[in-house]
Amino acid sequence: GAGVSQSPSNKVTEKGKDVELRCDPISGHTALYWYRQSLGQGLEFLIYFQGNSAPDKSGLPSDRFSAERTGGSVSTLTIQRTQQEDSAVYLCASSPRGREQYFGPGTRLTVT
Amino acid sequence: AQSVTQPDIHITVSEGASLELRCNYSYGATPYLFWYVQSPGQGLQLLLKYFSGDTLVQGIKGFEAEFKRSQSSFNLRKPSVHWSDAAEYFCAVETSGGSYIPTFGRGTSLIVHP
Repeated sequence: GAGVSQSPSNKVTEKGKDVELRCDPISGHTALYWYRQSLGQGLEFLIYFQGNSAPDKSGLPSDRFSAERTGGSVSTLTIQRTQQEDSAVYLCASSPRGREQYFGPGTRLTVT
Repeated sequence: AQSVTQPDIHITVSEGASLELRCNYSYGATPYLFWYVQSPGQGLQLLLKYFSGDTLVQGIKGFEAEFKRSQSSFNLRKPSVHWSDAAEYFCAVETSGGSYIPTFGRGTSLIVHP
């Protein structure tokens, strides 16, 4: 079946602009995660959605970052007023119930 | 809070040689344990997981891992490495208390020489 998809695959933006990154999870997966992966670094947790519960936003690095998940499916991660330190690969993962995760290919964000 | 350590940043092996990647965790109870692999330009793929039961778990692509409670370790092994195994490997730990948010190690980069 179809895996997790993310769009765009690459995004180049100017410092100060807003960007939206999209994630389409595997159908039927109730859990959805966003991570940030900087060059040579591990995965930094950003936000976690589980069903209709309030999301766990504990990993968001600043109030410039926000995410929503509509209809329990598609999710959008928004970064406002982008900074150069936001340059990274943003990974989305979904899970049938939490625990093991299925990752998308990521969106590479470059802020110039 | 739990933590995960992958002591080796890079590992170089020859094709056909055996492989062991180390993972140590810090957590009071038995955690849920995972190994993921990331090929260049790709997302992460689950190799195997341990929740409970038999401490030796088999995964995809010929990998296995052994949970050793006394050593707080979950090392990944493969008896004979193929060139296609060259990738970044991540160990992840999740508490059994229901947080559903794993902590990932910083990864080990595997280089395979022909």
